[in-house]
Amino acid sequence: SSELTQPPSVSVSPGQTASIPCSGDKLGDKYVCWYQQKPGQPPVLVIYQDTKRPSGIPERFSGSNSGNTATLTISGTQAMDEADYYCQAWDSRKRFGGGTKLTVL
Amino acid sequence: EVQLVEAGGGLVQPGGSLRLSCAASGFTFTSYDMNWVRQAPGKGLEWVSSIGKSGGSTYYADSVRGRFTTSRDNLRNTLYLELNSLRAEDTAIYYCAKDRPSGYAWDYWGQGTLVTVSS
Repeated sequence: SSELTQPPSVSVSPGQTASIPCSGDKLGDKYVCWYQQKPGQPPVLVIYQDTKRPSGIPERFSGSNSGNTATLTISGTQAMDEADYYCQAWDSRKRFGGGTKLTVL
Repeated sequence: EVQLVEAGGGLVQPGGSLRLSCAASGFTFTSYDMNWVRQAPGKGLEWVSSIGKSGGSTYYADSVRGRFTTSRDNLRNTLYLELNSLRAEDTAIYYCAKDRPSGYAWDYWGQGTLVTVSS
């Protein structure tokens, strides 16, 4: 399949750990990055090359990628982390997942 | 400070054309591949097109190939997207985005420009 699948929504309590999966055929063979998007704003890169954080992104954001699933993990989730999150597989088609709305409640 | 500022969006009839621009500053424009990404209202992100540093290589999503053309002016530090034969499903915010220094992600995005295709 050429699709990347994300759950439409994930909920987490403040201070807890949020995990957002992204699944696709042999996804572990490709680099995956993750973007955070808040309403009315452009996306912000939070993870690249599966596990790396850009400068300025808090340490509570981490990533992994193996087999058919990449996962974005947010440890000690804060209210400010509430946003849509998109995975992207780095291949010729630069595919995005459908996005996951993270709710912190 | 890296800045990407899109312009040129607006309301256009089906079958019409539009030219978007993205003015870049705060980095060496000629050192980076550049990209266009769109987002339909209330929907997810969709890669549209990429262009190499010199402008000699261009890549397109299947949904726009043959209708959209990406170019760049490295003297003016500006990226362009020409949209032709527009359809209602092309209605979206169009963002330009800069490649990371070693690739594999896009590290800076503009605020986007809205294209609405409607009669």
